[in-house]
Amino acid sequence: EPEVTQTPSHQVTQMGQEVILRCVPISNHLYFYWYRQILGQKVEFLVSFYNNEISEKSEIFDDQFSVERPDGSNFTLKIRSTKLEDSAMYFCASSDRASGSSYEQYFGPGTRLTVT
Amino acid sequence: KQEVTQIPAALSVPEGENLVLNCSFTDSAIYNLQWFRQDPGKGLTSLLLIQSSQREQTSGRLNASLDKSSGRSTLYIAASQPGDSATYLCAVRHAGGTSYGKLTFGQGTILTVHP
Repeated sequence: EPEVTQTPSHQVTQMGQEVILRCVPISNHLYFYWYRQILGQKVEFLVSFYNNEISEKSEIFDDQFSVERPDGSNFTLKIRSTKLEDSAMYFCASSDRASGSSYEQYFGPGTRLTVT
Repeated sequence: KQEVTQIPAALSVPEGENLVLNCSFTDSAIYNLQWFRQDPGKGLTSLLLIQSSQREQTSGRLNASLDKSSGRSTLYIAASQPGDSATYLCAVRHAGGTSYGKLTFGQGTILTVHP
């Protein structure tokens, strides 16, 4: 069964460094998302992406964040200058647009980002 | 602003028991509602999706109901097993946004099924 994959599974970085989290959505999906979950808190929406542009973003998604679909398969989240409070599990998700689609979102296993 | 609440926060039951997890949302204008399972340190596995026009959805031992007007959904798990132990999350997609829009999550119910 097709699945969303994410790399790396765990990333440790120092405050102020740039990180890139990578995702490979399900191949025929057209809508892509990033969410994050700080330890012990709710899963929070960051950004959605369709047709090579951001379609919606939350107030969390400020100028230090960016997303990109550099080729036909990868979807990346870049954090330019990491802060301690960026430590969280980051989830990528995708959904399709087939006829009659429910737009069900399928999530990857997550990347645990630890900022020290 | 949509708020999603799940009750109870934690539930511990003996194996074989039938159980109900509750989810409520403040804005009834939703496009659909998804129930997820999350194992510790892992990703989210979609269990069931209910469209706003549906009343319930079933998959195996799982049955999810939706009462959109009252802003409530329940996840019923029949004949619980230790392997059902996980955190269960509900999430809603607002109807006011795009059809492929963001999900708003509850904080989850931590379920423990002991042998």
